[in-house]
Amino acid sequence: GAVVSQHPSRVICKSGTSVKIECRSLDFQATTMFWYRQFPKKSLMLMATSNEGSKATYEQGVEKDKFLINHASLTLSTLTVTSAHPEDSSFYICSAQVDSRSGNTIYFGEGSWLTVV
Amino acid sequence: GDSVTQMEGPVTLSEEAFLTINCTYTATGYPSLFWYVQYPGEGLQLLLKATKADDKGSNKGFEATYRKETTSFHLEKGSVQVSDSAVYFCALSAGTGANSKLTFGKGITLSVRP
Repeated sequence: GAVVSQHPSRVICKSGTSVKIECRSLDFQATTMFWYRQFPKKSLMLMATSNEGSKATYEQGVEKDKFLINHASLTLSTLTVTSAHPEDSSFYICSAQVDSRSGNTIYFGEGSWLTVV
Repeated sequence: GDSVTQMEGPVTLSEEAFLTINCTYTATGYPSLFWYVQYPGEGLQLLLKATKADDKGSNKGFEATYRKETTSFHLEKGSVQVSDSAVYFCALSAGTGANSKLTFGKGITLSVRP
């Protein structure tokens, strides 16, 4: 079946540095990709929606200059957390949407744990 | 705005016990409702869904019925197995196409002991 791969699955970075998380659709082309984050004991919160070749649409309250999203191709989207701080430590998960005549199907990556020290 | 409320967890059951995980929602219009499951070390997977009132989604012995009158989509299974241990998320989608973004509940961890 369709697979979405995220990398890295876990990353630790120093405060003030930037870290990039990749989201790839391995055997299909995704028209739209979504990025979520989840704080402990909280819901997955949608951060942004990205379409290939265009700027991402960010949800209210998400800093677009801090969370840079690049959707360079139909199989790859990246999330870069710039100038990371400990409060950015979270679980980040992406999903990829496939559009078809029967409707949309969404596949999720495994998620990435970011720890900022 | 749209929201999903799940019962507090975690939940620990013995094998073959009956499972109910409550989920209620708030949304404008007529959303589609989903249950996603995340097994340890894996990504979220769609477990089942229902797209209109009174629809019943089912998969792997799990069932959930779209109850518009109570705005609920409770997940049930008659006899759980150890392999059902995972995190379960209730979600809704109120749009289509590029707007079909999902609103999730907090998720609940289910542990099934032998």
